[in-house]
Amino acid sequence: ETGVTQTPRHLVMGMTNKKSLKCEQHLGHNAMYWYKQSAKKPLELMFVYSLEERVENNSVPSRFSPECPNSSHLFLHLHTLQPEDSALYLCASSQDPPSGGYNEQFFGPGTRLTVL
Amino acid sequence: DQQVKQNSPSLSVQEGRISILNCDYTNSMFDYFLWYKKYPAEGPTFLISISSIKDKNEDGRFTVFLNKSAKHLSLHIVPSQPGDSAVYFCAAFAGSARQLTFGSGTQLTVLP
Repeated sequence: ETGVTQTPRHLVMGMTNKKSLKCEQHLGHNAMYWYKQSAKKPLELMFVYSLEERVENNSVPSRFSPECPNSSHLFLHLHTLQPEDSALYLCASSQDPPSGGYNEQFFGPGTRLTVL
Repeated sequence: DQQVKQNSPSLSVQEGRISILNCDYTNSMFDYFLWYKKYPAEGPTFLISISSIKDKNEDGRFTVFLNKSAKHLSLHIVPSQPGDSAVYFCAAFAGSARQLTFGSGTQLTVLP
């Protein structure tokens, strides 16, 4: 596998289910991200992990719970979601320079989530 | 309130002609601007970027222009090819916030 992979690619779940999205990056990067893309809306940053520590949490509801066990893996645990949470969930990774600044983010193909 | 706006949801261009995609922003703290391209069932892929200290960056058929006074950037693709048909996202990075802010995207269709 190369780049950033995400599983599953499609997920349908009921509002009472618990499920998890998985992301894996094979690029040796030190930062990983979860984004949400709803129809006709911009990508919204949900979580940022740098060196396995969460550094940003953009006021995401607690029914979304991220986990980053190591620099290559990122999970998004889902619990009691609402129909409006149906969206494309994208994972990305980057190699953040220690002094700050920007480095390109590489995206996975996304998980298309439908909440019934 | 969207800090990065792409006001044209779609654009159609004839093959061989120039495609111009536009983006406006409101936050003067952005220090990098980027364009990503997205095909269906794939994640966005990086296309080209520009630092806020420059006004132009060129890479092959792709050129990005930045007008800081107008808080406007544009992506020019010339000549356009059918394989360029995709959704193009404008994004801006603020080093202080360490996050990318995306526009809502423009669907480009290049007609053969």
